[in-house]
Amino acid sequence: SQQGEEDPQALSIQEGENATMNCSYKTSINNLQWYRQNSGRGLVHLILIRSNEREKHSGRLRVTLDTSKKSSSLLITASRAADTASYFCATAGTGNMLTFGGGTRLMVKP
Amino acid sequence: NAGVTQTPKFQVLKTGQSMTLQCAQDMNHEYMSWYRQDPGMGLRLIHYSVGAGITDQGEVPNGYNVSRSTTEDFPLRLLSAAPSQTSVYFCASRKSATTQYFGPGTRLTVL
Repeated sequence: SQQGEEDPQALSIQEGENATMNCSYKTSINNLQWYRQNSGRGLVHLILIRSNEREKHSGRLRVTLDTSKKSSSLLITASRAADTASYFCATAGTGNMLTFGGGTRLMVKP
Repeated sequence: NAGVTQTPKFQVLKTGQSMTLQCAQDMNHEYMSWYRQDPGMGLRLIHYSVGAGITDQGEVPNGYNVSRSTTEDFPLRLLSAAPSQTSVYFCASRKSATTQYFGPGTRLTVL
């Protein structure tokens, strides 16, 4: 079974609004990563947050990690139509293998 | 660097046929993995390798074989294709617990 579970499964917002996606996982991790997948393409790495970090920023992306709740969130601020994609969290645990969640499909309407 | 390359991009097989999906990376990464992605779903790990000569099973290994004779190459073999193996297959590579780089995928249909 998948380690990470994203919530919501689908999200539709207007351009300019913020988008928040959540990820919950089950076992202890070394780090948690977020990836983006445009339709019909491979996954592209967005950001990595280590287990001893609580928050990380990269451009319009903000990631938080709460290891006590085994959860993470990805916030995309001031969304653009080009942000339309599926977003996946992936956890790296012992053995450092990555396990992916089911993804959140984000639609940003112009 | 070409990154992670996969061939072919598309493939149609008949039930029972065998084939090999090719994957290569030129970044000298130790870790390589194969995932499958079914429609509307996340990625499931099929097999992975932590270095040349070392492979291990992931979440859904049945019906697939891998080998890692070199650092660069990590082919995935379908032994006897079944319709349940219709999926998009992604190869990925990375150094230790860091950013994973994905190939463009192979879209496989088994009739």
